[in-house]
Amino acid sequence: GESVGLHLPTLSVQEGDNSIINCAYSNSASDYFIWYKQESGKGPQFIIDIRSNMDKRQGQRVTVLLNKTVKHLSLQIAATQPGDSAVYFCAERHNDYKLSFGAGTTVTVRA
Amino acid sequence: EAQVTQNPRYLITVTGKKLTVTCSQNMNHEYMSWYRQDPGLGLRQIYYSMNVEVTDKGDVPEGYKVSRKEKRNFPLILESPSPNQTSLYFCASSSIAGGPADTQYFGPGTRLTVL
Repeated sequence: GESVGLHLPTLSVQEGDNSIINCAYSNSASDYFIWYKQESGKGPQFIIDIRSNMDKRQGQRVTVLLNKTVKHLSLQIAATQPGDSAVYFCAERHNDYKLSFGAGTTVTVRA
Repeated sequence: EAQVTQNPRYLITVTGKKLTVTCSQNMNHEYMSWYRQDPGLGLRQIYYSMNVEVTDKGDVPEGYKVSRKEKRNFPLILESPSPNQTSLYFCASSSIAGGPADTQYFGPGTRLTVL
């Protein structure tokens, strides 16, 4: 079946280092991908998105890379800060207008 | 302030007692959606709506109903709740200007426990 998944359920990173969170997807028809951040007790918050006609997009301290050949998506966070500690989800939009989410990666920033 | 609101935030109920979780957005968004979040499973879509009077099933619609009589509201109805519907529920909305299911804004969540 179709699924969106993250390679690792947890990631521990030293404050100030760069973080890379990976996501694999299986639906080649997906045309839009989103990264969300969810802090404890809150709803998911949009971080950055990328459409399938792009392979890279940069935001403030974040970069999303899309490799359609291997169906891989990654989120890079530069100079990780304590406030970046959260669960990160990737999501893909199918051509039937549904969003599918991965199980999430819990990022813990060490001081 | 642009936001999605849900009520109640917490609810404990018993098997078979009908309940409704309300969702409202003030951003004039066409697209609205309900998700449930369970440990290890991420967010799974229950139902979504592209506009008023237009709803469709997501990945896990069994046991749920929705309605979209007004653009701003999208209530989730559990006619006969069961313990396997104990979960954290999120409502979300988005404009369809960039395509349906574009950047979605999420509500704060409703934690439901069915005994």
